[in-house]
This record gives sequence, structure tokens and C-alpha cells, in this order.
Amino acid sequence: GAGVSQSPSNKVTEKGKDVELRCDPISGHTALYWYRQRLGQGLEFLIYFQGNSAPDKSGLPSDRFSAERTGESVSTLTIQRTQQEDSAVYLCASSLEMSSYNEQFFGPGTRLTVL
Amino acid sequence: AQKVTQAQTEISVVEKEDVTLDCVYETRDTTYYLFWYKQPPSGELVFLIRRNSFDEQNEISGRYSWNFQKSTSSFNFTITASQVVDSAVYFCAAYGGATNKLIFGTGTLLAVQP
Repeated sequence: GAGVSQSPSNKVTEKGKDVELRCDPISGHTALYWYRQRLGQGLEFLIYFQGNSAPDKSGLPSDRFSAERTGESVSTLTIQRTQQEDSAVYLCASSLEMSSYNEQFFGPGTRLTVL
Repeated sequence: AQKVTQAQTEISVVEKEDVTLDCVYETRDTTYYLFWYKQPPSGELVFLIRRNSFDEQNEISGRYSWNFQKSTSSFNFTITASQVVDSAVYFCAAYGGATNKLIFGTGTLLAVQP
């Protein structure tokens, strides 16, 4: 079956521009997660959705970052007024439910480069 | 707060050698899960194993084995008879119910030379 997909796979933008990153989770997965991976580093948790709700937004790096999810399906991570330090791979994952038991399935990521 | 430490940044071995990747975790949760993921050069993370805090039995899957020791807060991963295709970054992660977050270590880059 189809896995988690993300688009675009690569995005190059100029400092100060806004970008939108999209995640399509596995069908039927109610939980969705966003992570950031800077070059050569581990994954940094950003936000999770249970259904369309994001109960904890404390992981978002700044108020320039926002995320939404609709129809318990597609999610969009928006970065406003991008900065060079936002350059990273943004990974999306989904799981059957919001539970420590359920493994998270990851997408291929969106590589964001801010010039 | 949860924390996962992978002290080995890079490991290089020759094919057919055994290699162990270390993982030490810190958590205040009494119930938690530990994971290992593989990130090959293609970039997509691949789930390898999940272990809950109540099950300290070691697990073996083919050439892979995992040693979970609560007493030392470690969840080490051993690859037996390594192969070039094992070359990847390996991440250890911990998930506690209190935070609903999967916390990753910084990863260990494994390079298997032919």
C-alpha cells in the first residue's frame, strides 16, 4: 500500500519568503507528526496531530512556524519569513493512533534550502 | 524530561565484522517504549524494532539483535556479520506516554567497507 508521501521533495527559497510543506499520511492513520532534521543531526520533534487537533505546539521553533491538518488526512507545515537557519530536511510521519505502542511510518522528507 | 544518547557519532567496520551501536536513555516515565530506526542514504527512516519497558528479553531478528538492560538504561543494537548494505545512520528513540513525543538520539553513522 501507499506510504507517507511529502511534497515537494526539494524546495529552494530566498530568505524572507514563505514556504508550505505538504504531508499525505497513510490512509486511516489518525496520528501525524512533523520533525526537522538539520544536516548531520538527529530528528527534532516539532508537532503532532491527533485527528485534526494539535494539542501541543511547544515544539515549534518560533511563531514563524505553523501547521494544520484537515480531514484527518493531509497536513501542511508553513514557515513564514524563512531564515537561513530553517534550512533542513522536514520529515513527516504517521501512525495508526496516538500511542506509544504504534510505530511511526516516515515519509521521504522535504529538503528545504533557504538562500 | 526524556533524553536519548548515542555516544558513537561514526563507526567504520569491514564487511563481516560484528558491530554494536550503543544507546542510553533517560526517562521519568514508568512505562515507555524504545525504538531503533535505520536511515539509509536515500533518507527515508525505516523502523527496525520497538521494545516496551516491561520486556527485557533480548531479541534477535536475522543478523540483528537488541540488548535491553533497564539497570543501565541501555538499549544496544548489534549487527552480526555486517554487510555493505548495512551502511546507514541508525537512530535510537524513546517514547513516553506523558509527553506523547518520540525523542531521537543524534544517530550513529555506520560505514561498512567491502
